[in-house]
Amino acid sequence: TQLLEQSPQFLSIQEGENLTVYCNSSSVFSSLQWYRQEPGEGPVLLVTVVTGGEVKKLKRLTFQFGDARKDSSLHITAAQPGDTGLYLCAGPVGYSTLTFGKGTMLLVSP
Amino acid sequence: SQTIHQWPATLVQPVGSPLSLECTVEGTSNPNLYWYRQAAGRGLQLLFYSVGIGQISSEVPQNLSASRPQDRQFILSSKKLLLSDSGFYLCAWSRAGHEQYFGPGTRLTVT
Repeated sequence: TQLLEQSPQFLSIQEGENLTVYCNSSSVFSSLQWYRQEPGEGPVLLVTVVTGGEVKKLKRLTFQFGDARKDSSLHITAAQPGDTGLYLCAGPVGYSTLTFGKGTMLLVSP
Repeated sequence: SQTIHQWPATLVQPVGSPLSLECTVEGTSNPNLYWYRQAAGRGLQLLFYSVGIGQISSEVPQNLSASRPQDRQFILSSKKLLLSDSGFYLCAWSRAGHEQYFGPGTRLTVT
């Protein structure tokens, strides 16, 4: 079974701080995805990383895929209250399904 | 552009009552469709997925069933709800590759 472990489980910071959250596995994944979910809504896809060592930037968010394609990280620079939400990583299992980590709940206070 | 709809948005049902949640996708054809349950704002548990009309794969044996009567319609059902069926139910679709796009969800409370 391919499992994705996310850390930390919960993170509470002040506006303007930087943070990094992690997604780790003992298995190799062909790609990893990051989603953000706001309370009471469905997850929204942020990015897909495919190549080992790949770095993708989305405004203040920087996503990195590990060289061995077993882990990924999400770094947020100068966090804002609008960044609050549950951050989920996911990786493909077989041809049609994804396995999800349990998520990191981020709370950014003004 | 593609859109995905779920209804109802919220539902309160007594134990032992039936359930029917509906999901429809617009703007694409022959999508893969998925039902997930999420407890307490944490990770997603895959319940069912479908790669075509009438094709249903069940991931977790339980009190629920799924059907796909039309290409872009996915229905989650139960004949008799249990308290443990409470949760946030999410429908998602995908095309080639594995990127999934989620609906707004249904909050189910079984009383």
